[in-house]
Parts: sequence; structure tokens; C-alpha cells
Amino acid sequence: GESVGLHLPTLSVQEGDNSIINCAYSNSASDYFIWYKQESGKGPQFIIDIRSNMDKRQGQRVTVLLNKTVKHLSLQIAATQPGDSAVYFCAESNFSGTYKYIFGTGTRLKVLA
Amino acid sequence: EPEVTQTPSHQVTQMGQEVILRCVPISNHLYFYWYRQILGQKVEFLVSFYNNEISEKSEIFDDQFSVERPDGSNFTLKIRSTKLEDSAMYFCASMELTGANVLTFGAGSRLTVL
Repeated sequence: GESVGLHLPTLSVQEGDNSIINCAYSNSASDYFIWYKQESGKGPQFIIDIRSNMDKRQGQRVTVLLNKTVKHLSLQIAATQPGDSAVYFCAESNFSGTYKYIFGTGTRLKVLA
Repeated sequence: EPEVTQTPSHQVTQMGQEVILRCVPISNHLYFYWYRQILGQKVEFLVSFYNNEISEKSEIFDDQFSVERPDGSNFTLKIRSTKLEDSAMYFCASMELTGANVLTFGAGSRLTVL
């Protein structure tokens, strides 16, 4: 389940289970969204993106769902592995504007062996 | 795979000193960014840079900060008269603009202000 830590919400899942990480974005005009993974001491790494004209996009073991009605984005990770342990951020952008990406608060994913 | 490189990886400075953080974006990228991440917090937008000028900047990016692309490869962030609250990870990112428009981040420069 989820718990709120000192700085970031944390999701703990058993290895092999599916993970669902949620994000509420702020700007209804945002038309492009990216999920980033940040491992300790590293910069954010691209996982998957989705444009606002889609509501679902699948990658390798990951799926992003977009619900524009409630401004909600989720990242599903299938068969979670220890290497998936990291902080996950969603980022939103409005490409009719200035290509500025705004990051969400982030969720720490802990994979339990 | 092309990557964004940042130097230094860690810099310790005294309050009031000037700091320059350096970045080499991916060579065919056209949009450049600086972001900041205070320990345990989210990644915050500072500034974007395109066509040799600032495209947009946040409230954080006040007169203490400046960016420059002094040559065809480097992109620098200068912090004048550093404050304790400037201690953070500073990430450089670049974007191709004509392709997938994904930000590619560097590994970051950790700044510690004493």
C-alpha cells in the first residue's frame, strides 16, 4: 500500500507484483506527459511518454494511462523487479507554450524481495 | 547512446561565493534547461534556453542566477553570491525539439553551500 513519508509518498510492492504509481497534474492545458525514473544519485531517466490525444500507451513492462477529465496520470509496472526501486516523477508540458516541463511531487517505489 | 554531461559532480562553496556549473548538452539538441532538486524534494524548473536566449524562467531564477552558452557546446549556470538555501542538485537537460521532445537529463551537480 501507500504511505506518506517525510518527503515523498512511498509505495512498497513485492517482487513480481504489479505496481501502480499515480500522479495528479495541475494544468488542464498540458498536452504532453512523461514519466521519469530517478535512481539515487542520478538524474531523471525517461520511461514513457503520452500525448493528450491518447488515453493509454504501452511500453516494455510499463503502461501509462491518462485521464484528462480528472487530470490524472498513472504508471503501471508489470512484474516489478528490484531494479525498479527508485523515485518516479510525472512531468507535464504544454507544447503550444514554451516547452517547459513541470514535475510532480514524486513517488518512491520500494520493491520487497 | 548520447548523453548530457555535467561538471563538477560535487562542489562545496562558502556562502557569498560565485559558482559556475557546466553542462555539455547532446550535440543536435536545440533546447536547454536547468532544473534544481533540493534533497528529498521534487525537481523544480529554473530556466529554459533556446536560440541563444532565455525562453522562460521561474520565480526561483532571480538576478542571482544567469545562464550562458559561451561556445557551441557548453551551457553554464552561474550563481552569484550563493546562499545556504542554494544547496541542491542542479540538473541540466536538453531536448531535440524536432523529434520526440523528451528531456534528457545529466547526472547532476551537487552544490553544497556552507
